[in-house]
Amino acid sequence: SQQGEEDPQALSIQEGENATMNCSYKTSINNLQWYRQNSGRGLVHLILIRSNEREKHSGRLRVTLDTSKKSSSLLITASRAADTASYFCATDGRGYSSASKIIFGSGTRLSIRP
Amino acid sequence: DAGVTQSPTHLIKTRGQQVTLRCSPKSGHDTVSWYQQALGQGPQFIFQYYEEEERQRGNFPDRFSGHQFPNYSSELNVNALLLGDSALYLCASSKGLVITGELFFGEGSRLTVL
Repeated sequence: SQQGEEDPQALSIQEGENATMNCSYKTSINNLQWYRQNSGRGLVHLILIRSNEREKHSGRLRVTLDTSKKSSSLLITASRAADTASYFCATDGRGYSSASKIIFGSGTRLSIRP
Repeated sequence: DAGVTQSPTHLIKTRGQQVTLRCSPKSGHDTVSWYQQALGQGPQFIFQYYEEEERQRGNFPDRFSGHQFPNYSSELNVNALLLGDSALYLCASSKGLVITGELFFGEGSRLTVL
């Protein structure tokens, strides 16, 4: 089962515009991460935000976290054609041991039109 | 510094056969997590290995099994293949039993079951 659900499922914008993706999750977390995946390739880590943080920036990326609403958003500013990819949020969760596992959402497919 | 490597990159099997996928973690990492990603979906957690033991398991049947070797590399075995097992299988590595940071992914093994 998916821990997180991204919204929208697909997003198409003009190059230069900003792209916003949202993620909702179900259980308490220690941190939330965003990953990017180019078609059929491995996932690449973008940014991590901890549960005691509300906002974090990295280059053209801005992530917010609202633990009371169990939601996060990823903003990509001044989009480029190379930003075309799928974006996933991922949360940690404790299982039957003291280990933790990272659970991914269903993703947002972002297309940047030239 | 070698990243996560997976083999094979592509393979085709028929229903009922068995398959073994391999993963070498990033240098310095000792934890390996396996994910199944169907087309258009987010990665689904299969299981996680640390110190040669399965530490976490997702909602997958016993046909899915794994192993971790003393050099931290890992194998994923799937028996009695079904059409629905067709997917991209991703390996991710990290350090330590409790994941506090990012996962590093390989490029995946694309399995097609006919």
